Amino acid sequence: EDKVVQSPLSLVVHEGDTVTLNCSYEVTNFRSLLWYKQEKKAPTFLFMLTSSGIEKKSGRLSSILDKKELFSILNITATQTGDSAVYLCAVEAPNTGNQFYFGTGTSLTVIP
Amino acid sequence: NAGVTQTPKFRVLKTGQSMTLLCAQDMNHEYMYWYRQDPGMGLRLIHYSVGEGTTAKGEVPDGYNVSRLKKQNFLLGLESAAPSQTSVYFCASSSDRTNEKLFFGSGTQLSVL
Repeated sequence: EDKVVQSPLSLVVHEGDTVTLNCSYEVTNFRSLLWYKQEKKAPTFLFMLTSSGIEKKSGRLSSILDKKELFSILNITATQTGDSAVYLCAVEAPNTGNQFYFGTGTSLTVIP
Repeated sequence: NAGVTQTPKFRVLKTGQSMTLLCAQDMNHEYMYWYRQDPGMGLRLIHYSVGEGTTAKGEVPDGYNVSRLKKQNFLLGLESAAPSQTSVYFCASSSDRTNEKLFFGSGTQLSVL
C-alpha cells in the first residue's frame, strides 16, 4: 500500500530557530515529491522535487530529496511567526492518471 | 486569474440530506480531484477524474458520487449525508503533463448534524 509519513506531527519553536521537517514515502511509480504550506485554507505550493541530491531553495526555505532512502526534508531557517502553518508532503505516483498521496502534515508553531 | 473555484464555502446539513459541491477550474486541466481533510488524517482522495466524462474512486469513495460532464467542472455529491462526512473538502486540478503540481480550491467546510 502506498503511503507517505511525515514527522514530527507537531513542532513548537521560537522565532529565529531553524527547523527540519521530514517526509518518507513508500510508493510505486514515484514521479515527484511536493511540499505545500497550509494556513487555515487551501494548501499553497512550495517545492517540487524529482531528482535526488538537488536542493531547491526559496528564501529561508529549502528542500532536498533522497530517492535511494525514500525521503525528503524541508528546512526553514531563521523562522518567523508567519511560518506557522501545517506543512504537507505529497508524492505523485500515477497509476491511472496523476495520483497524489499526502502525508498527515507537520504543524509548526513559531512563538515570538 | 481565478484558478480553482469551489462553492459553497460553508454548509450545514442534517443527517440524510443531500447536497452537491461544485468545483470549477479555468486552467484547461485534464485532471481533477476531490479530497477531504480531517484532523490528524491529512488529505484523503475521495474521487478523481482524468478527463471529461471519466471518474474513478480514490481512497475513501463510500457515500460520495461525482460527475465530470464538462472539462472545467467536477461535482461532488452526497446523497444522504452522515455525521462522519463532516469535514473540509478540497477540490484540486492538475494538467496531464509530467511533473505538474496540484492547484487547490479554497475549501468547503461541511458540517453534518
